[in-house]
Amino acid sequence: GAVVSQHPSWVICKSGTSVKIECRSLDFQATTMFWYRQFPKQSLMLMATSNEGSKATYEQGVEKDKFLINHASLTLSTLTVTSAHPEDSSFYICSATAPNTDNQPQHFGDGTRLSIL
Amino acid sequence: DQQVKQNSPSLSVQEGRISILNCDYTNSMFDYFLWYKKYPAEGPTFLISISSIKDKNEDGRFTVFLNKSAKHLSLHIVPSQPGDSAVYFCAASARGRDDKIIFGKGTRLHILP
Repeated sequence: GAVVSQHPSWVICKSGTSVKIECRSLDFQATTMFWYRQFPKQSLMLMATSNEGSKATYEQGVEKDKFLINHASLTLSTLTVTSAHPEDSSFYICSATAPNTDNQPQHFGDGTRLSIL
Repeated sequence: DQQVKQNSPSLSVQEGRISILNCDYTNSMFDYFLWYKKYPAEGPTFLISISSIKDKNEDGRFTVFLNKSAKHLSLHIVPSQPGDSAVYFCAASARGRDDKIIFGKGTRLHILP
């Protein structure tokens, strides 16, 4: 149980386009989801906390107009990278808080590799 | 300011021996600590966790030790196996607040044949 799915797993697009990444909790309802970003050989950096039905909470230094987060249902959160540029190329990972999993507060998706040309 | 620190970027251990990965933290509000294993282009896989009310938690070959006074934790893997080769992330959380998980930079573990 507690499976989190991300789509797409890999996307390549031209500079200036917007890219949407989906994060779904497949077998549980997630009131809270998190979005992380990982550069090569770096740590997972928390970008924002996504709460169902309300605005996301962004970490310091993360542009909310650049990285739009929508958590419209209890099983889906989306991250849209607007007007993407090569420096936005990174590995994006989402996670969700599942109920009754005290030892593991967040369940992670498999990530999305974003490459901007 | 890095709140979770893994000062060893890499570690090589002979197969069958014990692997010890270390982690330090600075935020005294952290009360829950986790270790994750990660391969490139995949999400992190949860290994083991420990609450601040304990000083040791064991699960099979994995044991995590917590020294609160030193703000230090370690992950012991024994015996080490080839499949253990991966990047290991230490992470910390202040549960009951916002449940954000803060990750260290990771340690790449190489298990040598």
